[in-house]
Amino acid sequence: QVQLVESGGGVVQPGRSLRLSCAASGFTFSNYGMHWVRQAPGKGLEWVAVISYDGHIQYYADSVKGRFTISRDNSKNTLYLQMNSLRPEDTAVFYCARADGWYMDYWGQGTLVTVSS
Amino acid sequence: QSVLTQPPSVSGAPGQRVTISCTGSSSNIGAYDVHWYRQLPGTAPKLLIYGNSNRPSGVPDRFSGSKSGTSASLAITGLQAEDEADYYCQSYDSSLSGYVFGTGTKVTVL
Repeated sequence: QVQLVESGGGVVQPGRSLRLSCAASGFTFSNYGMHWVRQAPGKGLEWVAVISYDGHIQYYADSVKGRFTISRDNSKNTLYLQMNSLRPEDTAVFYCARADGWYMDYWGQGTLVTVSS
Repeated sequence: QSVLTQPPSVSGAPGQRVTISCTGSSSNIGAYDVHWYRQLPGTAPKLLIYGNSNRPSGVPDRFSGSKSGTSASLAITGLQAEDEADYYCQSYDSSLSGYVFGTGTKVTVL
């Protein structure tokens, strides 16, 4: 069965960096694009970034463009999100999700990132 | 500041039918498919409807989706207590060159 497990969340000071990981199993990881989606406490879902199956193409939400970088290692079945220059408004649960066409068919359980001094 | 607008909440008695609307524009719903997700309290979202009206395996036929012009809707018939959750629509927006979610709707079973 498809399984996505995020890790790397935690408490970080404003302006610092953090890297999230998403370990995938149960499917051929290198065949699928992958998304990061976040949800601020008590708020709705916000799409963050997407990467193509081969890692060659990435797109970002305007709110994170230039600060966040999505990448993947298909040899390790792992998706990453490098987050730099973090702001308090980046505080959220970050989910990785598998891309199937124009939607997200499987989601991980999420990892909480708290940006606070 | 989502570009897809949903009612904040809808409610119904067990067994009733409720509908959730999702309103967008020509750059998103008017041009691309709509998908729906359900998020039970404290859990990750789960795909409920894809391609406007298709149900993934395992989703009961009590859930149905439709799209017309720049709006879409999700209907839940035979409402059950376990349907209490947050529901989100999602599409792609060509003006933003990105994926967009609706504002979310909380369904309450009375």
